[in-house]
Amino acid sequence: EPEVTQTPSHQVTQMGQEVILRCVPISNHLYFYWYRQILGQKVEFLVSFYNNEISEKSEIFDDQFSVERPDGSNFTLKIRSTKLEDSAMYFCASSEVEGQPQHFGDGTRLSIL
Amino acid sequence: RKEVEQDPGPFNVPEGATVAFNCTYSNSASQSFFWYRQDCRKEPKLLMSVYSSGNEDGRFTAQLNRASQYISLLIRDSKLSDSATYLCVVVDRGSTLGRLYFGRGTQLTVWP
Repeated sequence: EPEVTQTPSHQVTQMGQEVILRCVPISNHLYFYWYRQILGQKVEFLVSFYNNEISEKSEIFDDQFSVERPDGSNFTLKIRSTKLEDSAMYFCASSEVEGQPQHFGDGTRLSIL
Repeated sequence: RKEVEQDPGPFNVPEGATVAFNCTYSNSASQSFFWYRQDCRKEPKLLMSVYSSGNEDGRFTAQLNRASQYISLLIRDSKLSDSATYLCVVVDRGSTLGRLYFGRGTQLTVWP
């Protein structure tokens, strides 16, 4: 079964540093998403992306965050200047058709020191 | 604003038991509903979509009551492998690309 893949599985970074989290969505999927889950809390939406532009973003997705699809396969989330509270599990998801169930990658655990 | 609320549990049941989870959502304009499961420190995995008429997938039955804004999941003949956190997930009609709203999840442990 096709999968969404994410790298790295764990990223440890000093506060204030930039991080880039990478995702390879399922190949025929056109809709892409980032979510995060702080330890012990619910999964929260960050951003949705279609046709090379952001479709919707949450209040969490401030100016420190950006997304990009640099080529035909990768979908990245960049955090420019990380804060302690950015520590969380970050999940990438994709779907083939708008409104259909989203398939999640196995996540990147981001730890900010 | 709490969009999706679930009883956090935990539910501890023996193998073979029937267990039911409930979920309520606050936005009456919500249009799509799902149950996902999440194993400890893993990604959410789609368990099943929830349709207005109710639907069944093997041992799992999902029900939707739009008037009460209530969703349920019934698991029959519980297996050890059913131990996980069950996430109620909702999509609002106004969402452009189907932004998912997650509940905090209900934890289930099935014991031998």
